Amino acid sequence: EVQLVESGGGLVKAGGSLRLSCVASGFTFSSSSMNWVRQAPGKGLEWVSSISGSSRYIYYADSVKGRFTISRDNAKNSLSLQMNSLGAEDTAVYYCAKEIGTGSYIDYWGQGTLVTVSS
Amino acid sequence: ETVMTQSPATLSVFPGERATLFCRASQTVRSNLAWYQQKPGQAPRLLIYDASTRATGIPARFSGSGSGTEFTLTISSLQSEDFAVYHCQQYNNWPPKTFGQGTKVEIK
Repeated sequence: EVQLVESGGGLVKAGGSLRLSCVASGFTFSSSSMNWVRQAPGKGLEWVSSISGSSRYIYYADSVKGRFTISRDNAKNSLSLQMNSLGAEDTAVYYCAKEIGTGSYIDYWGQGTLVTVSS
Repeated sequence: ETVMTQSPATLSVFPGERATLFCRASQTVRSNLAWYQQKPGQAPRLLIYDASTRATGIPARFSGSGSGTEFTLTISSLQSEDFAVYHCQQYNNWPPKTFGQGTKVEIK
């Protein structure tokens, strides 16, 4: 059974930093591209970042480029998102999501972790 | 960036009735479109990929159609567990992999 478990969310002041983590199980993590997708309160889904299995290919949404860094540790089956210079617009539930193949759809989602940025 | 527009924003349907949801892309995405279902307080769940293929375990009452810029998700006979928000996402022109704003299906 595929499981994705996020952690690291919380309350942070504007301008601060936070690091999200996701531990994966139930599939070959090193072969899977992974994503972070966020959802602001009462809003739709927004893709944030993707990383290929080998970490060779990394992509970011323009809204987070230069502030967020995605990374992975295949030995630990873990995915991370380092978030710096946080603003109120970054307040959202952040989902760790597994992609089928590369550049494709998401087939599994974690339960999400809430990040709240206070001004 | 490919903008995805879903309509309607809210759809009120009686249980047992048919529901039709629409998703339009600002440029062609070929058949690289997925639909997700999201219930309150839960993560999204994959329903349909490649515009018309049901994901594992998804009931046959869910069907997807379309290609290019116009897509449809049909729920043939709404069950109580189907009342949720439905999101479409394109994965043809990326980054970014863009989502629609969602359609809420509510009980009439």
